[in-house]
Amino acid sequence: EVQLVESGGGLVQPGGSLRLSCAAAGFTFSNYWMSWVRQAPGKGLEWVANMKKDGSEKYYVDSVKGRFTISRDNARNSLFLQMNSLRVEDTAVYYCARGIAVNGDFGWFDPWGQGTLVTVSS
Amino acid sequence: DIQMTQSPSSLSASVGDRVTITCRASQDISRYLAWFQQKPGKAPKSLISAASSLQSGVPSRFSGSGSGTYFTLTISSLQPDDFATYYCQQYNLYPLTFGGGTKVEI
Repeated sequence: EVQLVESGGGLVQPGGSLRLSCAAAGFTFSNYWMSWVRQAPGKGLEWVANMKKDGSEKYYVDSVKGRFTISRDNARNSLFLQMNSLRVEDTAVYYCARGIAVNGDFGWFDPWGQGTLVTVSS
Repeated sequence: DIQMTQSPSSLSASVGDRVTITCRASQDISRYLAWFQQKPGKAPKSLISAASSLQSGVPSRFSGSGSGTYFTLTISSLQPDDFATYYCQQYNLYPLTFGGGTKVEI
């Protein structure tokens, strides 16, 4: 069974940093794109970042470019999101998701982890 | 950025009803569209990819259609387990974008 388990969320002040982790199991992690998607309280879904299976390509939504960094450790079946200069508007549940490739490019998200809540507040 | 517009934003329906949700893209995305179901407090679940391909394990009462800029998700006979919020997502171009969601209520 494919499993994705996020951790690292919590309360942080504006301007602070947080590092999210996603532990993967049940599939060959190094064969898949991986992603972070977030959902602000009571709002819809927003894609945050993608990383290709070998780390050779990374993509970010404009609102986090220069502040967030996606990374992975294929030997440890883990995905990470380093979040710096956090803003109140970054408050959300952050989901880790496996990417299903289409012709080598990222396609859709399947499956998703259960999410970890990040709250940015003073 | 490609804008994804879902309608309606919410709907009320009864068990056994046929329900159709629409998703419009602001530019041609071919068939690079996925649909997700999300229940309160839970992670989204993939239903359909490539506009009409049902994911493994998804009941056949779900179907998707469309191409270009207009897409639909249809539930042929609504079941109690189907009351949830549904999202479309385009994967034609970065940034990947989602529709605003359609909440299906009793």
